Amino acid sequence: DAKTTQPNSMESNEEEPVHLPCNHSTISGTDYIHWYRQLPSQGPEYVIHGLTSNVNNRMASLAIAEDRKSSTLILHRATLRDAAVYYCILGGDNAGNMLTFGGGTRLMVKP
Amino acid sequence: NAGVTQTPKFRILKIGQSMTLQCAQDMNHNYMYWYRQDPGMGLKLIYYSVGAGITDKGEVPNGYNVSRSTTEDFPLRLELAAPSQTSVYFCASSFGLAGWNEQFFGPGTRLTVL
Repeated sequence: DAKTTQPNSMESNEEEPVHLPCNHSTISGTDYIHWYRQLPSQGPEYVIHGLTSNVNNRMASLAIAEDRKSSTLILHRATLRDAAVYYCILGGDNAGNMLTFGGGTRLMVKP
Repeated sequence: NAGVTQTPKFRILKIGQSMTLQCAQDMNHNYMYWYRQDPGMGLKLIYYSVGAGITDKGEVPNGYNVSRSTTEDFPLRLELAAPSQTSVYFCASSFGLAGWNEQFFGPGTRLTVL
């Protein structure tokens, strides 16, 4: 199974950009890179996903390395509400319906 | 749209008791999932369904049963509850396969087995 590696925790200041890294060196050609986040005491929430090209939506941007062995979730201006655990997950042909949520990165945002 | 709803929010069970966790979605999604999340850990898939009448095991199915008689509902049954089943349970749904599509999660059910 293709797995991801993320730092356990990161800190950011409010209103500054945040770059959350994810390594996935064993990614296969058909694996999508998904990001979810989980706010305290809530269910996970979809953030963004992509295959090869960088992706933008209203919540964040996803930058995917050319070799696809790593990716970065970018929050352009962190707010206190962005404090959450961020999960980087691979999905696609191999995973099917079996997305594996690892430990994720706990993002702390300081006012 | 209410999205994905779960009941109850909290429940305490005694060892050996049974209960059903309810999950419903109003987005007409074919795919539904049950996950559990132990303290400080990521989510683990228990069971999933790709449509009414079709269910399949996930990573940790032992001690649980599911059924899918309608598109909207996907209940999770715990028979003979054990302390190891103390966890937060999340239901989710998606339009297509989770590997390619956004999953929508419910608010969770916090279960304690004493």
